[in-house]
Amino acid sequence: GAVVSQHPSRVICKSGTSVKIECRSLDFQATTMFWYRQFPKQSLMLMATSNEGSKATYEQGVEKDKFLINHASLTLSTLTVTSAHPEDSSFYICSARDAVNEKLFFGSGTQLSVL
Amino acid sequence: GQQLNQSPQSMFIQEGEDVSMNCTSSSIFNTWLWYKQEPGEGPVLLIALYKAGELTSNGRLTAQFGITRKDSFLNISASIPSDVGIYFCAGHDSGYALNFGKGTSLLVTP
Repeated sequence: GAVVSQHPSRVICKSGTSVKIECRSLDFQATTMFWYRQFPKQSLMLMATSNEGSKATYEQGVEKDKFLINHASLTLSTLTVTSAHPEDSSFYICSARDAVNEKLFFGSGTQLSVL
Repeated sequence: GQQLNQSPQSMFIQEGEDVSMNCTSSSIFNTWLWYKQEPGEGPVLLIALYKAGELTSNGRLTAQFGITRKDSFLNISASIPSDVGIYFCAGHDSGYALNFGKGTSLLVTP
């Protein structure tokens, strides 16, 4: 079946540094990818919608200058958390929509811990 | 996004029992999906429903897309310990982004 690879699976960083998370669709092309954030024991909250070749669409309350999204190809979207702070510590999950059948597939998530 | 109401919030049952959970939304959805998430992992799709009234099974799991298109339920029959996890309903209306319920945490004792 279709696979979405998300890397890294876990990252620990110091406050003030930037962290890049990659989301790749391995056997299909994804014109649209989504980035979610999940705090402990809570649901997934949509942060932004990433469209290949155009600017991402951010949900209300999500700072676009802090969470930089780049979707430069049909198989790769990246989320960069700039100047990370402890309150950014969370589980970040991407999903990719297959351009052919429009099905959604999820990555395995990235656990970010900011010290 | 649309807020989904998922219940119950948690369930603690014995192996062999049947489980039922449901979701409602304030607006009409075109698709209902049920996911299972285990600690440290992304959600895994269990069942997808695309048509009002649709009843779909996947092994011991059965889910239905409500006639009103504002609700869905998931049943698990004869639960086993590996059913432990958090189950999320999700759906979308006219857009492509998914709206998630708050999850149902399932614990199964042997």
